[in-house]
Amino acid sequence: KAGVTQTPRYLIKTRGQQVTLSCSPISGHRSVSWYQQTPGQGLQFLFEYFSETQRNKGNFPGRFSGRQFSNSRSEMNVSTLELGDSALYLCASSPRGGIWELFFGEGSRLTVL
Amino acid sequence: AQSVTQPDIHITVSEGASLELRCNYSYGATPYLFWYVQSPGQGLQLLLKYFSGDTLVQGIKGFEAEFKRSQSSFNLRKPSVHWSDAAEYFCAVGAECSGGSYIPTFGRGTSLIVHP
Repeated sequence: KAGVTQTPRYLIKTRGQQVTLSCSPISGHRSVSWYQQTPGQGLQFLFEYFSETQRNKGNFPGRFSGRQFSNSRSEMNVSTLELGDSALYLCASSPRGGIWELFFGEGSRLTVL
Repeated sequence: AQSVTQPDIHITVSEGASLELRCNYSYGATPYLFWYVQSPGQGLQLLLKYFSGDTLVQGIKGFEAEFKRSQSSFNLRKPSVHWSDAAEYFCAVGAECSGGSYIPTFGRGTSLIVHP
């Protein structure tokens, strides 16, 4: 069974640009969540999507957004990039259910110059 | 709001020695607790989880963790460390939200260094 796939793995952007990251969950998983990992703030929850609906959202500005498609694939977008957005962005999928465990992808490393 | 503290930023052990990584949490209700491991350049992998029941939880790769409600702790242990265990370890607590999902809060991580 294929794991969680994130693309691109690495990307470099400049301030003010926008970026879109993609995540393909494990087949059959309907929940996809996103996390930002930085040395300063650690791992922080961004948002979670389940059946194309945002179910939970972390404490991030509106520049961070996401969506989920009918095949459960998800994208997250960051607009008007700031230097502080440089981070490893991790996606995780989870099988349907109340309490679940997370299966993480390898992440997308974003550098903002 | 829930929080997780991992007091040790780095821990160094010799290969074959025992290991204990500390984790303290703050959460008003019954916590859902997790330990994840992250190898360099990789995503996180679940080692074990505690939802309820037996307070000693067995996980993958020979790891175990013990939930102690009185101490608000969920320490990770391994009797004999292998060089391949060198990685970053994250403790997490899940706060249940409406709809049966939860938002996980992660600790800052403990970096494990293994000497030959």
